[in-house]
Amino acid sequence: GENVEQHPSTLSVQEGDSAVIKCTYSDSASNYFPWYKQELGKRPQLIIDIRSNVGEKKDQRIAVTLNKTAKHFSLHITETQPEDSAVYFCAASLDKLIFGTGTRLQVFP
Amino acid sequence: EPEVTQTPSHQVTQMGQEVILRCVPISNHLYFYWYRQILGQKVEFLVSFYNNEISEKSEIFDDQFSVERPDGSNFTLKIRSTKLEDSAMYFCASSPRTEAFFGQGTRLTVV
Repeated sequence: GENVEQHPSTLSVQEGDSAVIKCTYSDSASNYFPWYKQELGKRPQLIIDIRSNVGEKKDQRIAVTLNKTAKHFSLHITETQPEDSAVYFCAASLDKLIFGTGTRLQVFP
Repeated sequence: EPEVTQTPSHQVTQMGQEVILRCVPISNHLYFYWYRQILGQKVEFLVSFYNNEISEKSEIFDDQFSVERPDGSNFTLKIRSTKLEDSAMYFCASSPRTEAFFGQGTRLTVV
């Protein structure tokens, strides 16, 4: 079955800096790659996603890139703000979401 | 904006008891899921449900677990004979096809 690895497990940045979180997946059949943001005690919220027929997608300060050959995908957050602080999960899906282990992002003012 | 809703938000139960977690998916969604998140860990897939039957289940989803869609709106997860290690946040999710939207979760505490 699908296995998703995510790095780093924690990431601390200064407000205004960029943050990058990387994931790899094992099943080349996976075709949908969402990213979720989870604040403490709350539900995972979809923030951006990418499908396997696209290499890059951007939405304001967040972007996701996908390298199907290498089975890598990454989340890029630019101009980070304290409210970006949360746990971020990547996931890979063919017919169900398999999540990575999460990255705790802390943005310091 | 439509949301997935789950009840109860918190359930405390004694070991060995049965619990039923309830979910109301978004009304025009076709795919339903249950996930589990042990405190501080990743979100784990339990089961997917489509067309009134289980389409896939994980190793975690053993005979202790069952799902039902008893009417047109509710989607339930039943855990029989709960164990201490069943303590976790249980999330229901629904999807029109690929994008999954999560409920706010039920925190299950087994004592």
